[in-house]
Amino acid sequence: EAGVVQSPRYKIIEKKQPVAFWCNPISGHNTLYWYLQNLGQGPELLIRYENEEAVDDSQLPKDRFSAERLKGVDSTLKIQPAELGDSAVYLCASSLDRGRTQYFGPGTRLLVL
Amino acid sequence: ILNVEQSPQSLHVQEGDSTNFTCSFPSSNFYALHWYRWETAKSPEALFVMTLNGDEKKKGRISATLNTKEGYSYLYIKGSQPEDSATYLCASVNTGGFKTIFGAGTRLFVKA
Repeated sequence: EAGVVQSPRYKIIEKKQPVAFWCNPISGHNTLYWYLQNLGQGPELLIRYENEEAVDDSQLPKDRFSAERLKGVDSTLKIQPAELGDSAVYLCASSLDRGRTQYFGPGTRLLVL
Repeated sequence: ILNVEQSPQSLHVQEGDSTNFTCSFPSSNFYALHWYRWETAKSPEALFVMTLNGDEKKKGRISATLNTKEGYSYLYIKGSQPEDSATYLCASVNTGGFKTIFGAGTRLFVKA
């Protein structure tokens, strides 16, 4: 069975540019998570979807970050415009249901110059 | 405790040593405690999920215990091997919205 797929794996952009990340969760997983992970810290939740509904986006900086999960499957996370402090690893994970074991993708490492 | 805290932050051991790490989490509104292993350049991989006070789980040389009343979990590695080198993350899930909070991880280095 295919795991969680993310692309791109690496992205280098200049500040003020837009960037988008894509995630394809494990088939049948209702819950999808986007996390931000800074060096030396644990993953911090940006947004959690249950099917196509964003049920927890309290930590998403909505002035520049947006996300969508059309049809309750794939999801995209966008940053516009990117700032230097956005340099981090962006992890996508999925689980059968809320609270269950999460399966992570390889992450997208973003560098904003 | 409002956040999930892990200790130590990093640990260097010799091959063959046994070791353990601690995860402290909010005991109120507890739903589940997860342990993940994250090797460099790979995806975090699930090790255990525990929900009941007193739960113990084991996978090979790795085991974990759970105390929900006092809000802590221990992860044990018996006879550490170089391939055990990784960051070990714990994550607490609460019943209030099923929010998952990760600790910062314990980074384990096992020297051959």
